[in-house]
Amino acid sequence: KAGVTQTPRYLIKTRGQQVTLSCSPISGHRSVSWYQQTPGQGLQFLFEYFSETQRNKGNFPGRFSGRQFSNSRSEMNVSTLELGDSALYLCASSLSSGGTDTQYFGPGTRLTVL
Amino acid sequence: GQQLNQSPQSMFIQEGEDVSMNCTSSSIFNTWLWYKQDPGEGPVLLIALYKAGELTSNGRLTAQFGITRKDSFLNISASIPSDVGIYFCAGQQGETSYDKVIFGPGTSLSVIP
Repeated sequence: KAGVTQTPRYLIKTRGQQVTLSCSPISGHRSVSWYQQTPGQGLQFLFEYFSETQRNKGNFPGRFSGRQFSNSRSEMNVSTLELGDSALYLCASSLSSGGTDTQYFGPGTRLTVL
Repeated sequence: GQQLNQSPQSMFIQEGEDVSMNCTSSSIFNTWLWYKQDPGEGPVLLIALYKAGELTSNGRLTAQFGITRKDSFLNISASIPSDVGIYFCAGQQGETSYDKVIFGPGTSLSVIP
């Protein structure tokens, strides 16, 4: 069974630009969660989508948004990029919503903001 | 806010040695998870613990859910070079909602052949 895939793997943007990251969950998984990983803050939860609906949201500004499609693929968008948005963005998929199933992480998208 | 503390922060060991690391918090958790992350990859779940006192093994790895529900430890026996990586603990307080999953800062493990 194929794992969680994320595209692109690496991205370089400049301040003020916007970026869209993509995540394809494991086949059959309907929940996709997004995390930001930085050396200083560690792994922090961004949001979770299930059946095209945002179910949970972490403490990030409104510049961070996402959506999920009917095939469970998810995209995350960051607008008006800031230097501090440089991070590894990880998505994780699971069968159901809300923490009752094991999450499987993708390899991440490394975003660098210059 | 709530946070998890992991110790040690980093460790250098000789191949074949046993390794022990732990994770503590001032808050109670209902679930403890241990992940390993290799460079350039996402975390991979090693062991999940769901009950206080639970001791679970996965090959050379053994983890325990502390009786107080405020800590967990992970042991690796007979370490090998591919054990190198960062080990994260994660605790979940509620039974639902991924926003209640909190990750520790990680323990970096280096294995000297």
